[in-house]
Amino acid sequence: GAVVSQHPSRVICKSGTSVKIECRSLDFQATTMFWYRQFPKQSLMLMATSNEGSKATYEQGVEKDKFLINHASLTLSTLTVTSAHPEDSSFYICSAKSNDLAGESGELFFGEGSRLTVL
Amino acid sequence: GQNIDQPTEMTATEGAIVQINCTYQTSGFNGLFWYQQHAGEAPTFLSYNVLDGLEEKGRFSSFLSRSKGYSYLLLKELQMKDSASYLCAPMDSNYQLIWGAGTKLIIKP
Repeated sequence: GAVVSQHPSRVICKSGTSVKIECRSLDFQATTMFWYRQFPKQSLMLMATSNEGSKATYEQGVEKDKFLINHASLTLSTLTVTSAHPEDSSFYICSAKSNDLAGESGELFFGEGSRLTVL
Repeated sequence: GQNIDQPTEMTATEGAIVQINCTYQTSGFNGLFWYQQHAGEAPTFLSYNVLDGLEEKGRFSSFLSRSKGYSYLLLKELQMKDSASYLCAPMDSNYQLIWGAGTKLIIKP
């Protein structure tokens, strides 16, 4: 099946620094990717929809200047958490919608997730 | 290694009951989630089990047996809008979700 690679899987950083998380579709092209955040024992919360070649669409309450999303190619989207603070510590997960299957099932493929800890 | 096993596709009739099974192997365990995903949309949270037993929430119920590495999602009084993919996702010791491929549920009138 289709594979989505997310890197890094775990990152620890100091407060005030920026962290970049990459989401790559390895064997398919994805015009659309989604970024989620999940706190322990809670459900996934959609943060933003990333569209290749255009600006991301952010969900209500998500600061676009703090969570920078770049989707420069059909296989890569990045999420940068700028000036990270301890409250940004969370589990971030991406998913990608395969262009090839878009007309068939709209199936989403998920990355493995990235655990961010801000000290 | 970590592994999730659930049926690829199931078909059921409107008004009936369907059970979607999931077996898993993870490095540690911190609960199991079920998500519903309609075609072209983001997944939506259905349930979370961390203790053995049955959790009932309206038409949907989820069961967990940690010793068996087994969970199921039970859908009652099926409606056409229940046609979707259902994702079983246990959480490992690092609080990372291990995603299954999902079960595509087709509801027929």
